[in-house]
Amino acid sequence: EAQVTQNPRYLITVTGKKLTVTCSQNMNHEYMSWYRQDPGLGLRQIYYSMNVEVTDKGDVPEGYKVSRKEKRNFPLILESPSPNQTSLYFCASSPRGPYEKLFFGSGTQLSVL
Amino acid sequence: QKEVEQDPGPLSVPEGAIVSLNCTYSNSAFQYFMWYRQYSRKGPELLMYTYSSGNKEDGRFTAQVDKSSKYISLFIRDSQPSDSATYLCAMKDTNAGKSTFGDGTTLTVKP
Repeated sequence: EAQVTQNPRYLITVTGKKLTVTCSQNMNHEYMSWYRQDPGLGLRQIYYSMNVEVTDKGDVPEGYKVSRKEKRNFPLILESPSPNQTSLYFCASSPRGPYEKLFFGSGTQLSVL
Repeated sequence: QKEVEQDPGPLSVPEGAIVSLNCTYSNSAFQYFMWYRQYSRKGPELLMYTYSSGNKEDGRFTAQVDKSSKYISLFIRDSQPSDSATYLCAMKDTNAGKSTFGDGTTLTVKP
């Protein structure tokens, strides 16, 4: 089944403890992206990647890192999480670029205490 | 001011009603317009996709784009309880590496 898989679905952590949210797609998509969704602020893009080893900042990149060493994986890294990073995170992919349909993962609900 | 404004609702309608969801935007460079549907605890899924101005119909759903007014709409005919979800508009221009999303409108269709 074609899908974007995020793990974990739920994560509770404490301030400053490094964490990684994984994202994997099995559709051979070139474009991948991370979003956070907050009440009243909608979906905001964190980082995106047009292809392997190519990443760019979105609207809210501060406090996040990403890497794209393989086409299928696009992990989101929080080196030192803070409470303002408590949010619902979505990974998405599309075949060649942002002009095409985005396929979203099921989301990761992160709470930073 | 946000680039994309969307009425947050919530919107509650009886089954069978016609629903109109709307977004306004300020960036005249936007060329691609999308509507996503998001069920509770799920990721958004693409519902409609249009390029530039005009109408597009898909079953009970019609997307309209009026670039002169910077206004887009999604109409749902004969609404069903299964249409209950949050609807997000999204837009992008030809040079952007990202889509800009509205905040979403939460719709409830009551049987």
